[in-house]
Amino acid sequence: AQTVTQSQPEMSVQEAETVTLSCTYDTSESDYYLFWYKQPPSRQMILVIRQEAYKQQNATENRFSVNFQKAAKSFSLKISDSQLGDAAMYFCAYRRAFNPGNQFYFGTGTSLTVIP
Amino acid sequence: ETGVTQSPTHLIKTRGQQVTLRCSSQSGHNTVSWYQQALGQGPQFIFQYYREEENGRGNFPPRFSGLQFPNYSSELNVNALELDDSALYLCASSLGGDRALNTQYFGPGTRLTVL
Repeated sequence: AQTVTQSQPEMSVQEAETVTLSCTYDTSESDYYLFWYKQPPSRQMILVIRQEAYKQQNATENRFSVNFQKAAKSFSLKISDSQLGDAAMYFCAYRRAFNPGNQFYFGTGTSLTVIP
Repeated sequence: ETGVTQSPTHLIKTRGQQVTLRCSSQSGHNTVSWYQQALGQGPQFIFQYYREEENGRGNFPPRFSGLQFPNYSSELNVNALELDDSALYLCASSLGGDRALNTQYFGPGTRLTVL
């Protein structure tokens, strides 16, 4: 079974600084997707960034980027120039590439505080 | 704005009762997944519906059941409610059948409290 581990229950960062959230996962498959979702107090899960395992290039979305280390099964999220609106729970998620199995496996989350 | 809506927003029930939660998927999506998120935890997969058929199920008992309609909206039914069923229930829609578009988009959730 796939498992996703986020070892940092809480993190904090000064506004405008950079923070990295860690995620590791366990799988025996070679083709899969990895995601970072953000869940603000409003509760709605918002997609931050997505990485296909077959792509070696790390995904980037504006201030958000990932460090995908396939051999180490590591998928960290870097937030640059942190903003107050980045404060939220961040969940790392894994999904198999093919149906059946569109199920997402989520980590337990990292609560990010942004300090003004 | 993801386009996935859920109702109701909040719900309070007592042990033993039954509850139905509803989800409208994003336009063009044919797959709906349901997740249970306990306080302080990540979402746990309940089941998924693809084109009105159950397409996968997590480790939840049979009293958790679902339905998907021809317009791809969905219901989650929970019978014989237990205190541990208190959680945020999230619905996510996606376009199944095409791996490039399988990103799930979540609704705002329904907060269920069982007393």
